[in-house]
Amino acid sequence: ETGVTQSPTHLIKTRGQQVTLRCSSQSGHNTVSWYQQALGQGPQFIFQYYREEENGRGNFPPRFSGLQFPNYSSELNVNALELDDSALYLCASSLWTGRMNYGYTFGSGTRLTVV
Amino acid sequence: DQQVKQNSPSLSVQEGRISILNCDYTNSMFDYFLWYKKYPAEGPTFLISISSIKDKNEDGRFTVFLNKSAKHLSLHIVPSQPGDSAVYFCAASAPGNQFYFGTGTSLTVIP
Repeated sequence: ETGVTQSPTHLIKTRGQQVTLRCSSQSGHNTVSWYQQALGQGPQFIFQYYREEENGRGNFPPRFSGLQFPNYSSELNVNALELDDSALYLCASSLWTGRMNYGYTFGSGTRLTVV
Repeated sequence: DQQVKQNSPSLSVQEGRISILNCDYTNSMFDYFLWYKKYPAEGPTFLISISSIKDKNEDGRFTVFLNKSAKHLSLHIVPSQPGDSAVYFCAASAPGNQFYFGTGTSLTVIP
């Protein structure tokens, strides 16, 4: 059974640039959620994708966008990077049955630094 | 608006003693709760869960207690081991919704 894998592990970008982070979900899972974890904080929900559509979003601006692919992998795109976007970005996959998310599993994250 | 709160940023416990980590929440719609452990440079690792139909769930050295009327849950680790030293996050969700996380408690188990 493969876990959740994220790439890259570390990334340095310049303010104003765009970035794409990738996530491969765990085998058997159909839902992907993205979280931002700033230093000293708990993970904050960005959005969730199910059946290739966004089906839940936290308090993040539209320059945070995502995609889910038919194989349930996902991308997080952030445009016009700001210094405050520097954080650990976590991807979690799960099995959504229509009532609950089962097996919520996190990847190791991508550490994004914006300079 | 912090719906899940962990008011103790850190905790130190002697090896072999009990560690008690606390978590409070405000949303009465939350019905599923998780505890995660996180080591530096790694993603959160699932530890134990509890649904709102129960008030206690036990898995080896780890027990989670849920007090719905107080909107409070706690994680007990007995006996504590040095390898338990990590940051512990509690998380809560309403049906079909995303998880809300606390800010974490850094546990240090002293040999």
